[in-house]
Amino acid sequence: ILNVEQSPQSLHVQEGDSTNFTCSFPSSNFYALHWYRWETAKSPEALFVMTLNGDEKKKGRISATLNTKEGYSYLYIKGSQPEDSATYLCASPANFGNEKLTFGTGTRLTIIP
Amino acid sequence: SAVISQKPSRDICQRGTSLTIQCQVDSQVTMMFWYRQQPGQSLTLIATANQGSEATYESGFVIDKFPISRPNLTFSTLTVSNMSPEDSSIYLCSVRPIHRRGMNTEAFFGQGTRLTVV
Repeated sequence: ILNVEQSPQSLHVQEGDSTNFTCSFPSSNFYALHWYRWETAKSPEALFVMTLNGDEKKKGRISATLNTKEGYSYLYIKGSQPEDSATYLCASPANFGNEKLTFGTGTRLTIIP
Repeated sequence: SAVISQKPSRDICQRGTSLTIQCQVDSQVTMMFWYRQQPGQSLTLIATANQGSEATYESGFVIDKFPISRPNLTFSTLTVSNMSPEDSSIYLCSVRPIHRRGMNTEAFFGQGTRLTVV
């Protein structure tokens, strides 16, 4: 059973501040790491899919890094805005070519205006 | 990419009744995945729906409780049977279109069904 963990469980950040949170996963048999944003009453949407150690990806004010040797990924949000309020999920497939994803419990981010 | 239409978006049901959730995808996909998220928990996979064969259920989930239909490559239903308050969750369907074996493509999700059992 693949164990994917996220911390913190929830986070309140002042508008304009930057923040980051963590996803941990087993470093052995790693294949890919996904980040999703899930806003209330909407579908989860993919932010990043990362596969290589040292990967860094960026989408606007959001970026992510990947360390497969130590089994963690960071998601960074620069200059938080109210629209960033959401639950951020990370997920990983159990093995190569496996379409099933195992999700972490998520980090619920609330931006305080 | 894939666009998934899921309904109903929410429902309040009496215990002992059943609810069927539908998902329609705008393209043909081999597998469709059904997840639930109970309060404070992660997205947990219930089962994988394959067209033309029985669904594959994860540990802790059984067909009698969560029967699934997959009549074609664009449509699936999940039924939550004989509901109890513990079934109150958000239910999501998902697909991962893969253009060639092994590509790490993202997952696409329906809008979710927020179920409350009273």
